[in-house]
Amino acid sequence: GAGVSQSPRYKVAKRGQDVALRCDPISGHVSLFWYQQALGQGPEFLTYFQNEAQLDKSGLPSDRFFAERPEGSVSTLKIQRTQQEDSAVYLCASSLYPADEQFFGPGTRLTVL
Amino acid sequence: GESVGLHLPTLSVQEGDNSIINCAYSNSASDYFIWYKQESGKGPQFIIDIRSNMDKRQGQRVTVLLNKTVKHLSLQIAATQPGDSAVYFCADIPGGKLIFGQGTELSVKP
Repeated sequence: GAGVSQSPRYKVAKRGQDVALRCDPISGHVSLFWYQQALGQGPEFLTYFQNEAQLDKSGLPSDRFFAERPEGSVSTLKIQRTQQEDSAVYLCASSLYPADEQFFGPGTRLTVL
Repeated sequence: GESVGLHLPTLSVQEGDNSIINCAYSNSASDYFIWYKQESGKGPQFIIDIRSNMDKRQGQRVTVLLNKTVKHLSLQIAATQPGDSAVYFCADIPGGKLIFGQGTELSVKP
């Protein structure tokens, strides 16, 4: 069956460029999470959606980071004016209900030059 | 605040041996923990979970032990296989969002 998919898998951006990362959760999953994973570290929570509502964005590192899920399915994480410290793997996860097991996508590796 | 940490960044074992990966946590109120396996180029994959009303939980070749007194949990992998080579994370899940430790990289020598 289809799992969580993310695109692109790899993205190289020049410092100052804007990027958009896409997440397609498992069909019917209510909850969607974004995590950032720096090299050699564990994933760190960025933001959480329940359907189209963004219920928690406490992990977004700056106002350059913006996430949306307008129809309660696909989500986009946008990073404006990228900086080198934004280089990381961005992971998306979805779960059927908020407290259920989270299924992760393969991530998007962002490299900012 | 919450934090979850691991004791060792790397662990190397011989194929067929048992592996033990340790994790410490700081939040006494934590009541649910999950172990994840992450292979290179992939997202974390659920292995096993345990709630605070349990001391031990067993799965297929894996066992998680929870010691609430010293706020410590461990993942035991029996008869470690080359396919077990990966980074292993313990995670706390306060309010539904996962709090991961740094991870232990397990290498299995043939």
